[in-house]
Amino acid sequence: NAGVTQTPKFRILKIGQSMTLQCTQDMNHNYMYWYRQDPGMGLKLIYYSVGAGITDKGEVPNGYNVSRSTTEDFPLRLELAAPSQTSVYFCASTREDYGYTFGSGTRLTVV
Amino acid sequence: QKEVEQNSGPLSVPEGAIASLNCTYSDRVSQSFFWYRQYSGKSPELIMSIYSNGDKEDGRFTAQLNKASQYVSLLIRDSQPSDSATYLCAVRRGDTGFQKLVFGTGTRLLVSP
Repeated sequence: NAGVTQTPKFRILKIGQSMTLQCTQDMNHNYMYWYRQDPGMGLKLIYYSVGAGITDKGEVPNGYNVSRSTTEDFPLRLELAAPSQTSVYFCASTREDYGYTFGSGTRLTVV
Repeated sequence: QKEVEQNSGPLSVPEGAIASLNCTYSDRVSQSFFWYRQYSGKSPELIMSIYSNGDKEDGRFTAQLNKASQYVSLLIRDSQPSDSATYLCAVRRGDTGFQKLVFGTGTRLLVSP
């Protein structure tokens, strides 16, 4: 059972480039989330999804987009990368009122 | 006022002692509460969940919830150096119809041998 799988683990982007962070879960969870974590700032919710075809904005959605075409996959798209998007990104999933299962994270640097 | 507040620490305790980590939350109708452990450079890992007032024990960990005081805590008995990590408190808000957690910024725990 792989749980929540994120790729890539590390990435360096130049300002203005775009990329997609991949997230896949094999637990048949309906709910999926993308968070970013900056030093000393805690986890901030970017986007979330309650099921295939349904997504919504979190606290810090600007500069990001998501899609949820299947239950398993929830990719996060960064368009026109900016230095402010340098962060560690975590994907998570859950079912009903349980705690989240997190992926291992993607460390992104924008230079 | 932050929705979920934690002292950033570090909280330093000697090996074998009890570590007490505290968290307060602002949404009075919050329903569910979680503690996560995060080692440096790793992802958060769920260690405890608590849904009703009182204590919940799991091995060396005890979660305590007091909804009247809007307070949740985590006690770690017989602390070990391997417990050194950042502990995140998370709260499910009462006004959401589904699972969406708000996280505190975490308390860093240091257990010295």
